[in-house]
Amino acid sequence: DAGITQSPRHKVTETGTPVTLRCHQTENHRYMYWYRQDPGHGLRLIHYSYGVKDTDKGEVSDGYSVSRSKTEDFLLTLESATSSQTSVYFCAISGGPNQPQHFGDGTRLSIL
Amino acid sequence: QKEVEQNSGPLSVPEGAIASLNCTYSDRGSQSFFWYRQYSGKSPELIMSIYSNGDKEDGRFTAQLNKASQYVSLLIRDSQPSDSATYLCAVKDDYKLSFGAGTTVTVRA
Repeated sequence: DAGITQSPRHKVTETGTPVTLRCHQTENHRYMYWYRQDPGHGLRLIHYSYGVKDTDKGEVSDGYSVSRSKTEDFLLTLESATSSQTSVYFCAISGGPNQPQHFGDGTRLSIL
Repeated sequence: QKEVEQNSGPLSVPEGAIASLNCTYSDRGSQSFFWYRQYSGKSPELIMSIYSNGDKEDGRFTAQLNKASQYVSLLIRDSQPSDSATYLCAVKDDYKLSFGAGTTVTVRA
């Protein structure tokens, strides 16, 4: 398996609280991605990174921010969580723009 | 966001049969195509990559790409119960992947 670790694996929190999800990789890959997966919507890209401190928005970026201060870590932050952000969040990594992405095990986030 | 559409499921096939999954995409300039398998409650797992027209075989899996018609397909030969999963088609769009909604396959013994 690709060396990708997501933490936490499960989290329950309340509306309005800040939440940070972490993705850690040991593959030294340049590209990292955050997706959410919801029934009826499939996988949707939230943000991605193409290098340290280089990030860009995906199709569902509202309400989310990211940071990448080291090659191995990509953080996803919900500044003020809402119930609509209840989802399963996947991190993915890729060695190059045309190479496939490999996914972490996911974080199941519930916002009450 | 480019569109990727997959044939709606669920698809039920008997054990030992061929499962055929189809995917069409909107961006004629797309160059890289992937199939992922996702078991219930698990993360997507890459099973095939294809970049040029024609067939690519890997074990019981065959991916077929036709860029002129903008479709990519996946055949699963000699289907096994362990192949029961949702299969996601993904198309490369700049640095990103656009995913189809997935086709759920059930292999019945």
